[in-house]
This record gives sequence, structure tokens and C-alpha cells, in this order.
Amino acid sequence: ETGVTQSPTHLIKTRGQQVTLRCSSQSGHNTVSWYQQALGQGPQFIFQYYREEENGRGNFPPRFSGLQFPNYSSELNVNALELDDSALYLCASSLEPGIATNEKLFFGSGTQLSVL
Amino acid sequence: AQSVTQLGSHVSVSEGALVLLRCNYSSSVPPYLFWYVQYPNQGLQLLLKYTSAATLVKGINGFEAEFKKSETSFHLTKPSAHMSDAAEYFCAVSEDTGGFKTIFGAGTRLFVKA
Repeated sequence: ETGVTQSPTHLIKTRGQQVTLRCSSQSGHNTVSWYQQALGQGPQFIFQYYREEENGRGNFPPRFSGLQFPNYSSELNVNALELDDSALYLCASSLEPGIATNEKLFFGSGTQLSVL
Repeated sequence: AQSVTQLGSHVSVSEGALVLLRCNYSSSVPPYLFWYVQYPNQGLQLLLKYTSAATLVKGINGFEAEFKKSETSFHLTKPSAHMSDAAEYFCAVSEDTGGFKTIFGAGTRLFVKA
């Protein structure tokens, strides 16, 4: 049990639609990172939010956007869905950005998104 | 730029046998290295982490990994496999830049035969 919850667990959308995925971080964790994990692949970094501002972004187009709220919840929004967006989306929370000796990521179980 | 290569997308061992999962990394700065495990329908769980202290890192569930700078490797081992070790394992590398992100390898699926 990591204390990080994601909703929904599964979602089916059609191409061109928009989707919002939600994550509830551990209490006190100021940092949330989002990852896309395609079938048979490792997770790919989408972006990170720290204290409600984007703090780093991977190689994903602007139609992938996020929000982080003061209550340790966050959202990943994807516009104009494409078939290749079908994947497991993971969020991970941590106390602060960067790596400290005792720092680590706490992952949620993910949202499985299928785009038809 | 950082990258991670995991050698072997699938590894099969017998219960009680040695587990060896291979990982090589590329990084322009001293890296932080990780091994994560993912069970079906679950998120990732940290097994162990290298942060420039001891080169031999011990993790949970009897796993350990050795950082070898000369070989740019961070292989994961366990002396005796258990059926419950069957899962997907990911090696990852990160820089402590403040714009923190973790780069994951493609993963190695471990099968344990009775």
C-alpha cells in the first residue's frame, strides 16, 4: 500500500475525445510525476508538478497537460486522443523534486486507458 | 542524455536458482540508479536504490544490486528465486537536477518455474 490512489482504474475512449485522469498523492507529498506505460514497455516520463507548477516535462506534445491542487490531488488531461495514447498511466508522488538519500517515488496502481 | 538498457525481455529460472537481471546505463553525470518491481495490475514498487554510497546495495525481498562504474552496469541479483518473485522488473536512472525525472528501461519479465 503506497498511499497513492488513481481513478478510474480503467477507461475506454474514442479517438478525438478528451480524458481526465486523477491521482491522490500521499499527504504531505508536494511533488507528483506522471508516466505513460505502453504495453510491453517501461514507463515514460510525461511531466512533474511541484507545488502546483510544472517542474519538468518529457517528450510529450502539449495536448498532454496537468494540474496539481493544494489538497495533494492532481490531474492528467489529454486532448484529441489518438490510438497510440492507449496505455497504463501511472502517477507517482514524492516529498520534493530531486533525489535525496531517503527520497523515493510512491506509485499508484495506474489507469488503463484504451482509445478505440 | 540518460538511457537504460535491460538485457533480455524475458528471463526464466527454476525455484531456488540464482536470479540475475542485467541493466546497463548511460549518463553524463553521476547517476542515481533504481530497480523497481511491478506485479500484474499494480504500480511500481521500489526494490532498491543506488545513491553514490555503497556500491553494493541491498533491497527488499532478498534482492541486491552492484554498481560498477567501469562497466556502466547495475545488475540485480537474488541468490534463490521464489515463486512470488515472478513479476516485471524495471531498471531506472535519474539525475538530481531539480527538474527530476526518472528514465526507465523496457523491463524484464521474470518467470519462476517450480
